[in-house]
Amino acid sequence: DGGITQSPKYLFRKEGQNVTLSCEQNLNHDAMYWYRQDPGQGLRLIYYSQIVNDFQKGDIAEGYSVSREKKESFPLTVTSAQKNPTAFYLCASRRSGGLGNQPQHFGDGTRLSIL
Amino acid sequence: EDKVVQSPLSLVVHEGDTVTLNCSYEVTNFRSLLWYKQEKKAPTFLFMLTSSGIEKKSGRLSSILDKKELFSILNITATQTGDSAVYLCAAGTGGGNKLTFGTGTQLKVEL
Repeated sequence: DGGITQSPKYLFRKEGQNVTLSCEQNLNHDAMYWYRQDPGQGLRLIYYSQIVNDFQKGDIAEGYSVSREKKESFPLTVTSAQKNPTAFYLCASRRSGGLGNQPQHFGDGTRLSIL
Repeated sequence: EDKVVQSPLSLVVHEGDTVTLNCSYEVTNFRSLLWYKQEKKAPTFLFMLTSSGIEKKSGRLSSILDKKELFSILNITATQTGDSAVYLCAAGTGGGNKLTFGTGTQLKVEL
């Protein structure tokens, strides 16, 4: 089945600990995105990558880091510098190039909580 | 700063009613307007609009974009309990087609 897989579904972090959220897609999409969703605030863009080995900061990149070593994978690390990491994290991907715009499609998300 | 505003924030209707959800946007380098439905987890894609005045339809759902007034609406006719969800509007901008989201409209359809 083609799709976007995020793991784990639930994650608990201790204070001062880095954690990495996984996002894998087998849709052969070039572009991948990370969003954070908080109650009443909608989705906010953390980082995005349009091509392997390249990525850009979104609106709320502080305290987060990413890598894009493979086309199908875009892991997000929540570092200890992120002071309020409790949120629902969504990964998305999009086919770029070709004719016209293409929509982003989302994974099922990872819910991160502080212990 | 890019901004997308949705209204109403929440709505409760009875099965069979018709609803209209609103989305206004103020963004630079606009490319597209998207609607998503979010139940428990992943937002699922509904529509992408790039041209003014052309209605897109899928079953009981339809949407239209007004690029002059910077506005889009999502209509749902003959609502069903399965339509209960948060409906998200997003403006796509720039070369990376980054999305700026509104806070969503929470729709509840009661029997």
